[in-house]
Amino acid sequence: AQSVTQPDIHITVSEGASLELRCNYSYGATPYLFWYVQSPGQGLQLLLKYFSGDTLVQGIKGFEAEFKRSQSSFNLRKPSVHWSDAAEYFCAVGGGATNKLIFGTGTLLAVQP
Amino acid sequence: DAGVTQSPTHLIKTRGQQVTLRCSPKSGHDTVSWYQQALGQGPQFIFQYYEEEERQRGNFPDRFSGHQFPNYSSELNVNALLLGDSALYLCASSGRTGATNTIYFGEGSWLTVV
Repeated sequence: AQSVTQPDIHITVSEGASLELRCNYSYGATPYLFWYVQSPGQGLQLLLKYFSGDTLVQGIKGFEAEFKRSQSSFNLRKPSVHWSDAAEYFCAVGGGATNKLIFGTGTLLAVQP
Repeated sequence: DAGVTQSPTHLIKTRGQQVTLRCSPKSGHDTVSWYQQALGQGPQFIFQYYEEEERQRGNFPDRFSGHQFPNYSSELNVNALLLGDSALYLCASSGRTGATNTIYFGEGSWLTVV
């Protein structure tokens, strides 16, 4: 079955600290992987995506993610977190002709001053 | 260039009523998908429209139906509303078929069923 697991429901980091959000997926075919961010009461904004090629992908707002096929993981990282990064982060997997996305349950990030 | 636009932003309905939500895709996009996001959950795929036809459907009952118009805009209709239908409904648009197309989301329509 196709699924996405985000093991951490809630994470708190201090401003300026590094961040890693975990994502594991189960997908029968070659996965296309995405990270989206959602601020309170808002829609989803795409941070980055992986389709093929270099397994380390760069996104907006200083985020990056690394695809590790052997671990079925696509973890999101940022070297130094800003207070404005506080939001909910969703990992998603998709593929095939229909662009259907399967989302994880999200990780809520809080940033301490 | 307008992104994905949805209306209304918020609405309150009574159990048993019917609701229609609307979506205009990003310019140049012809494929529209709808997702339901319950509080504290990730978005769940409802269905997708391409060339005015429902192309794929998620695990949602027939009370959920949709339509796509020739200008690629779309409507989501939900009949016989239940309390459990309260959620954020997100519209997503993308270009021609192929997973390499970036999917853009609208701000969503908040539906509360009382």
